Amino acid sequence: SQQGEEDPQALSIQEGENATMNCSYKTSINNLQWYRQNSGRGLVHLILIRSNEREKHSGRLRVTLDTSKKSSSLLITASRAADTASYFCATSTPGSGNTGKLIFGQGTTLQVKP
Amino acid sequence: DGGITQSPKYLFRKEGQNVTLSCEQNLNHDAMYWYRQDPGQGLRLIYYSQIVNDFQKGDIAEGYSVSREKKESFPLTVTSAQKNPTAFYLCASRPPGRTYNEQFFGPGTRLTVL
Repeated sequence: SQQGEEDPQALSIQEGENATMNCSYKTSINNLQWYRQNSGRGLVHLILIRSNEREKHSGRLRVTLDTSKKSSSLLITASRAADTASYFCATSTPGSGNTGKLIFGQGTTLQVKP
Repeated sequence: DGGITQSPKYLFRKEGQNVTLSCEQNLNHDAMYWYRQDPGQGLRLIYYSQIVNDFQKGDIAEGYSVSREKKESFPLTVTSAQKNPTAFYLCASRPPGRTYNEQFFGPGTRLTVL
């Protein structure tokens, strides 16, 4: 089942601009994670935000979480051509117990033009 | 791609044949997962295993089988019963402990049914 829906599906920006992508989900969560996938490769974990947190930073990444709206956003500042990839949100729900199961969104494809 | 290897990178299969995808990790992780990714889509969970000799069905287990005889290995067999097996298959693992929820992914295997 797909819990997360991401918006936009595709985003094209110039190098140096900021990129914002959004994720909405349907049920309550323990935490929400963002992953990056370069074309034809595996996913790489970027950042995790817990349900009791509202904002988190990691380098050029800023993640916000609004549990009342069941949504999260990922902001990449000062983008670089190397940031070109697909970005996925993934949620861990209370129903998953200790299994570590994640539910992934459909992803946003980001293209950063040099 | 961390300490998770998947082989082969590309796999071609004739209809009606079973095929086994390899996933090995040297991270000493207990939990391992298999996902399927279709073009432009997010990841869907096929099977997961939290401990050796135990595994559970995910959301789309029909037509697939797994085994977990060793902690390091979690092979996935795509059987002839899987009606649409052409996809990108990703294996992941997770460190032990309740609070750590990040998953580490292998580089993936692209399966094409001819």
